[in-house]
Amino acid sequence: ETGVTQSPTHLIKTRGQQVTLRCSSQSGHNTVSWYQQALGQGPQFIFQYYREEENGRGNFPPRFSGLQFPNYSSELNVNALELDDSALYLCASSLGQGGYNEQFFGPGTRLTVL
Amino acid sequence: QKEVEQDPGPLSVPEGAIVSLNCTYSNSAFQYFMWYRQYSRKGPELLMYTYSSGNKEDGRFTAQVDKSSKYISLFIRDSQPSDSATYLCAMRGTTDSWGKLQFGAGTQVVVTP
Repeated sequence: ETGVTQSPTHLIKTRGQQVTLRCSSQSGHNTVSWYQQALGQGPQFIFQYYREEENGRGNFPPRFSGLQFPNYSSELNVNALELDDSALYLCASSLGQGGYNEQFFGPGTRLTVL
Repeated sequence: QKEVEQDPGPLSVPEGAIVSLNCTYSNSAFQYFMWYRQYSRKGPELLMYTYSSGNKEDGRFTAQVDKSSKYISLFIRDSQPSDSATYLCAMRGTTDSWGKLQFGAGTQVVVTP
């Protein structure tokens, strides 16, 4: 069974640029959630995708957008990067909806905005 | 005020001691409570999950939830240097999308040999 993978591992961008982060969910999982973890903080929920549709969003502006593909892999896109976007971006996959479903986290992509 | 409060530490204990971690929260709708362990430069890994109030034990780990006090705890017995990590509490309400976990800031734990 393959775990959650994310690419790239590290990324450096400048303010105003756009970035795309990628996530491959664990085998058989149809739900992907994205989190932002600033240094010294806990992860903050950005949004979740279930069967290619956004299914819940946290308190993030529209310049944070995403996609989920038929194979359940996912992308996180951030436009007009700001310095405060520097963080570890985590992807988590799970199976199904409702009740409790364990989320399995990937290792994250560390984004630095200069 | 944050919905979930957690002391960032660091918490330093000698090997073999009991590690005691806790979180407080303000949202009475939270029903699912989790503890994650996060090693440096890694993603969080689920340690314990509890639904509603009560205690749960798994090996050296014990999780407690007191909904009346809005307080959750994690105890690690016989701590080992390999337990050195950041421990995150997380919780969710029943009406939230199941991916929408609310995390604490994490407590850094250092177990010294």
